[in-house]
Amino acid sequence: GDSVTQMEGPVTLSEEAFLTINCTYTATGYPSLFWYVQYPGEGLQLLLKATKADDKGSNKGFEATYRKETTSFHLEKGSVQVSDSAVYFCALSPMIKAAGNKLTFGGGTRVLVKP
Amino acid sequence: DGGITQSPKYLFRKEGQNVTLSCEQNLNHDAMYWYRQDPGQGLRLIYYSQIVNDFQKGDIAEGYSVSREKKESFPLTVTSAQKNPTAFYLCASSIVGRGDKETQYFGPGTRLLVL
Repeated sequence: GDSVTQMEGPVTLSEEAFLTINCTYTATGYPSLFWYVQYPGEGLQLLLKATKADDKGSNKGFEATYRKETTSFHLEKGSVQVSDSAVYFCALSPMIKAAGNKLTFGGGTRVLVKP
Repeated sequence: DGGITQSPKYLFRKEGQNVTLSCEQNLNHDAMYWYRQDPGQGLRLIYYSQIVNDFQKGDIAEGYSVSREKKESFPLTVTSAQKNPTAFYLCASSIVGRGDKETQYFGPGTRLLVL
């Protein structure tokens, strides 16, 4: 079945440091890929997405490129702020929707940015 | 102001009691979903519905029940058969489609605790 693997946290960084969170997936064909962010005690917010190979999703300084050859969708930000402290989830939606539009999530990566 | 609302924010359940979590959306989305999140883990799908009066089990449906009598509403009942209900419950909705249309949007969540 489909699966998403992302690096375990916590990831602790200083403000203005470069952030990378690795995400790889297993799925048939060309799934859609997503990054969601969750702040403490809140629901998930869509951060960015890519729906076909070589697409780059970007939002709020974050970027991720859909790499079919490496089945990856790594999240990057060039200069993090304290306000970026959150849990980040990588997720996929299957190309063939035999079971509805089900999202498969990675385990989440907690990021802590220190001033 | 469109969005997804969940209530209550916190819910306490006694042994042997059924409790119902509310989820309402005014985004005119056809599909709605319920996920469970345990500490330090990703989200797991409980139930989903793509159309009124129809719903399907997700990966962890045992001990839960749902209804979909209105497009806007998708309540989740945690029954006494669910032996480990303590978790953060998230509702989501989406348009039924492919690509950009399939993005799921999440509510703020309900935290369920057992007394």
